[in-house]
Amino acid sequence: SQKIEQNSEALNIQEGKTATLTCNYTNYSPAYLQWYRQDPGRGPVFLLLIRENEKEKRKERLKVTFDTTLKQSLFHITASQPADSATYLCALLDTGRRALTFGSGTRLQVQP
Amino acid sequence: EPEVTQTPSHQVTQMGQEVILRCVPISNHLYFYWYRQILGQKVEFLVSFYNNEISEKSEIFDDQFSVERPDGSNFTLKIRSTKLEDSAMYFCASRETGDSPLHFGNGTRLTVT
Repeated sequence: SQKIEQNSEALNIQEGKTATLTCNYTNYSPAYLQWYRQDPGRGPVFLLLIRENEKEKRKERLKVTFDTTLKQSLFHITASQPADSATYLCALLDTGRRALTFGSGTRLQVQP
Repeated sequence: EPEVTQTPSHQVTQMGQEVILRCVPISNHLYFYWYRQILGQKVEFLVSFYNNEISEKSEIFDDQFSVERPDGSNFTLKIRSTKLEDSAMYFCASRETGDSPLHFGNGTRLTVT
């Protein structure tokens, strides 16, 4: 069966450290993978997109890697701040489909 | 920055009643979606809509659900006869092209009693 797995346990880190979140998938052939941020009671907000032929993408303090052999994407936030505290969702577009499928998200808590 | 707007923010209805959730996507976007999120669970795809027709739907989107773009700006989701398990946050999303990121509204919280 198809699965997108993100750590269900919350990730707690100290301000200034790098947060690393994991997204693993099974039985998908993603054309691309995206990361979103979701705050309580709000809709997801797009952060980064990485395509199947790309290894790494960066945007300011954010970095995403994509390993299609391991079927895994890593999402990094460097120099984390308490304002980065939120749930982070990975989502992928399976080849031949038109809609994104989301993982269940990982909650990040950055302590001051 | 343009945004997707959804109304109402919270809807309470009795089991068996019909509800219509409304969305105004970003004006130059061509692809429209409904997702739902049951409390504490993941965001689940319901339906996508392009060129005035449904382009894809999930198993959740059964005969009780329908979508419409009645006037070129609104995009609605109708649930004909609500069930308790329809209680969830419903998100509308749109995007400019098939490849661009999704822009989500802030959702309608539907509570079925």
